[in-house]
Amino acid sequence: EDQVTQSPEALRLQEGESSSLNCSYTVSGLRGLFWYRQDPGKGPEFLFTLYSAGEEKEKERLKATLTKKESFLHITAPKPEDSATYLCAVRYSGGYQKVTFGTGTKLQVIP
Amino acid sequence: EPEVTQTPSHQVTQMGQEVILRCVPISNHLYFYWYRQILGQKVEFLVSFYNNEISEKSEIFDDQFSVERPDGSNFTLKIRSTKLEDSAMYFCASSVGPNNEQFFGPGTRLTVL
Repeated sequence: EDQVTQSPEALRLQEGESSSLNCSYTVSGLRGLFWYRQDPGKGPEFLFTLYSAGEEKEKERLKATLTKKESFLHITAPKPEDSATYLCAVRYSGGYQKVTFGTGTKLQVIP
Repeated sequence: EPEVTQTPSHQVTQMGQEVILRCVPISNHLYFYWYRQILGQKVEFLVSFYNNEISEKSEIFDDQFSVERPDGSNFTLKIRSTKLEDSAMYFCASSVGPNNEQFFGPGTRLTVL
């Protein structure tokens, strides 16, 4: 059973068209939810850490939010350089230090 | 800005051979990890390492794999007797503490022929 599910699998946006990516999780005892950006052939690049429901983090055009069951990554007025795969990962009680990744949302922003 | 580095960027090997993938974690980090990503699939945890010993490993990390911190800066993943299905991107990561975010290196693409 998947513990971290991301949707949509792929998203195509026009430049400037805001949208949200979803990450739902079924683990118990969440000890951190992480958002990463991954460009093709590269390693995941850290974006945000969220620890508790209601928490929000913001960086440039990106804003991450967390509830008890899911997290959203809001992208405001995206630019072509925001095109990448966005990965969600969770750390939970019983998982010690490892993080468990979702399959990602591949975002394409068209000029 | 400090970053995790990995060498080589691409390793090609014959099935049955041994490979060693190398990583230099961020200098003040104490926790080290290896993950792999098979093409088109999600990033999967292999092993975590702290205080010179394995602290957690996944079911993927069997006797074929081993990790070592041979000196104060390097962290290595050894894969013995490689199989075709070991072909993947291997990522090293490090974190300051067990609950902090993990920073990933650029990866080593392993191709087993």
